[in-house]
Amino acid sequence: TQLLEQSPQFLSIQEGENLTVYCNSSSVFSSLQWYRQEPGEGPVLLVTVVTGGEVKKLKRLTFQFGDARKDSSLHITAAQTGDTGLYLCAPRGGSTLGRLYFGRGTQLTVWP
Amino acid sequence: DSGVTQTPKHLITATGQRVTLRCSPRSGDLSVYWYQQSLDQGLQFLIQYYNGEERAKGNILERFSAQQFPDLHSELNLSSLELGDSALYFCASSVVSGMDTQYFGPGTRLTVL
Repeated sequence: TQLLEQSPQFLSIQEGENLTVYCNSSSVFSSLQWYRQEPGEGPVLLVTVVTGGEVKKLKRLTFQFGDARKDSSLHITAAQTGDTGLYLCAPRGGSTLGRLYFGRGTQLTVWP
Repeated sequence: DSGVTQTPKHLITATGQRVTLRCSPRSGDLSVYWYQQSLDQGLQFLIQYYNGEERAKGNILERFSAQQFPDLHSELNLSSLELGDSALYFCASSVVSGMDTQYFGPGTRLTVL
């Protein structure tokens, strides 16, 4: 099991602010996925990053995969209350096979 | 709506009891995965079934077992329940396995008193 560290563990901000959350490991990943989990629901896949240095944008969300494929970040511009949720990262490929091994996540709360 | 259904939504039971959680995968998906989410352990992989056969095991206790039926629905059986088994249990499904996207159900919240 890869050791994944997500930071910060909790983040509470006002609507309109920008934020960045991180996912770090000492292991190299074939690819990495980001999920968002809203209260009372299961995780939903946001994006998969595959290439070292890759940047993917999903509206106000920008995902970056580290050059060495050991870390990733998620930046949200002008946060909205609808962004509230638990953000989880999970590596794919290699020894993980079909299983998802999640980090502990960042709990984001966006206040109006 | 992910297309994955789980029943029941909530379950309250006592220590020492046995419960069964049910999952129906998305139409056409052959793989089913079970995950446990607790405050102290986070979201952890328990077990995977593919087309009726066990494919991979994670941190699943011996008191827990699962199966996938010919119609591809799956059940997770939890026995000799302990207080620490209280958690959210999620089922996910994917078309096949490997790197396929997993779609999660809404979960079953188990409370052991």
